[in-house]
Amino acid sequence: DQQVKQNSPSLSVQEGRISILNCDYTNSMFDYFLWYKKYPAEGPTFLISISSIKDKNEDGRFTVFLNKSAKHLSLHIVPSQPGDSAVYFCAASPNANAGGTSYGKLTFGQGTILTVHP
Amino acid sequence: EAGVAQSPRYKIIEKRQSVAFWCNPISGHATLYWYQQILGQGPKLLIQFQNNGVVDDSQLPKDRFSAERLKGVDSTLKIQPAKLEDSAVYLCASSLEARFEQYFGPGTRLTVT
Repeated sequence: DQQVKQNSPSLSVQEGRISILNCDYTNSMFDYFLWYKKYPAEGPTFLISISSIKDKNEDGRFTVFLNKSAKHLSLHIVPSQPGDSAVYFCAASPNANAGGTSYGKLTFGQGTILTVHP
Repeated sequence: EAGVAQSPRYKIIEKRQSVAFWCNPISGHATLYWYQQILGQGPKLLIQFQNNGVVDDSQLPKDRFSAERLKGVDSTLKIQPAKLEDSAVYLCASSLEARFEQYFGPGTRLTVT
């Protein structure tokens, strides 16, 4: 049962344009969401996060949008740069009320390979 | 600030052999996680420690996998005996207590032949 899904295995964009990466989830107990970036032969690096009490969070070129009713989140990168080429994972965690052993437990999507062409 | 350290970076073993991975988390991080990432998939949590204690090991194949966290700092993950399907990258991550953001090490790529 894939509770977090990234339906686009890959995305290719031109430098300077917007990159939009999408993520859907099914578990209504999820209420904190994170995006990670991963370069080859390295571990995932935390990028940006959002709590379910918000619908948008910005950090420089990166913005995450959350649509709770649709159980959908997206990551926007503007403008895209060649150095952004990596695999992007979305991850979700239940809230504290989900139970002590679930708090902080991340469920990851399959990842989307982003390629930004110069 | 030093990041999460893992060793070895690469390991090749034959099926039915045993293997161990080591992780040193970021100083002061009470929570430590081991993940398995199979090619083309996202990381899957195997076990979560809070200081010395196990918080969640529901997805750890306990017939062959074991993990311990010594003195609430370093951790080892062992596979005995290994199977072909254990070929994956094993990632260690740590976080501050009660924080969602986890910080990952570079991983150990295990190949079982």
